[in-house]
Amino acid sequence: KAGVTQTPRYLIKTRGQQVTLSCSPISGHRSVSWYQQTPGQGLQFLFEYFSETQRNKGNFPGRFSGRQFSNSRSEMNVSTLELGDSALYLCASSEGNGYGYTFGSGTRLTVV
Amino acid sequence: GESVGLHLPTLSVQEGDNSIINCAYSNSASDYFIWYKQESGKGPQFIIDIRSNMDKRQGQRVTVLLNKTVKHLSLQIAATQPGDSAVYFCAERSNDYKLSFGAGTTATVRA
Repeated sequence: KAGVTQTPRYLIKTRGQQVTLSCSPISGHRSVSWYQQTPGQGLQFLFEYFSETQRNKGNFPGRFSGRQFSNSRSEMNVSTLELGDSALYLCASSEGNGYGYTFGSGTRLTVV
Repeated sequence: GESVGLHLPTLSVQEGDNSIINCAYSNSASDYFIWYKQESGKGPQFIIDIRSNMDKRQGQRVTVLLNKTVKHLSLQIAATQPGDSAVYFCAERSNDYKLSFGAGTTATVRA
């Protein structure tokens, strides 16, 4: 079965702009989690959606937001981009029971 | 708070030898643990997981050991191959559906 698909793979944005990233989970999975990976901070949890509801949120500013659609696909949005938002953004798909998290290949965001 | 850490940031191992990567966690409420492998330019790849009601689980060439008494997790890789060169992360989950990751161990396999 198809894995987790993240689009786009690469993005270059200018400070102050906004960006939307997309994640399509494994078929049948109802949970999508988002993580930010940077060399300095490692992998940090952003938020998790299950059946279109945000179930948990990490310690990121309100500029980071997300949503999940009825087909379980999820998007995350970052507004008013800062240089420090440059990172690899990863999403993880799971059935939603707390087990078996499969990651996508990520979106590499560069803010200039 | 939660923190998951790996004991060593780097590991060098001879091809064919066995590797052991260690991880300490601090949240005694964590009940599920996963090892991931990440290669350059890719997302973390699931290796093996273990639930807190187990202390050992084996996969293909890999074994995960869990010691809840000292809150320690380890990944053993048998007969290490060049393709095992990667960054390895342990992750823990408590009751909030989020994973907490350690800093990672970079494993290099010497030919």
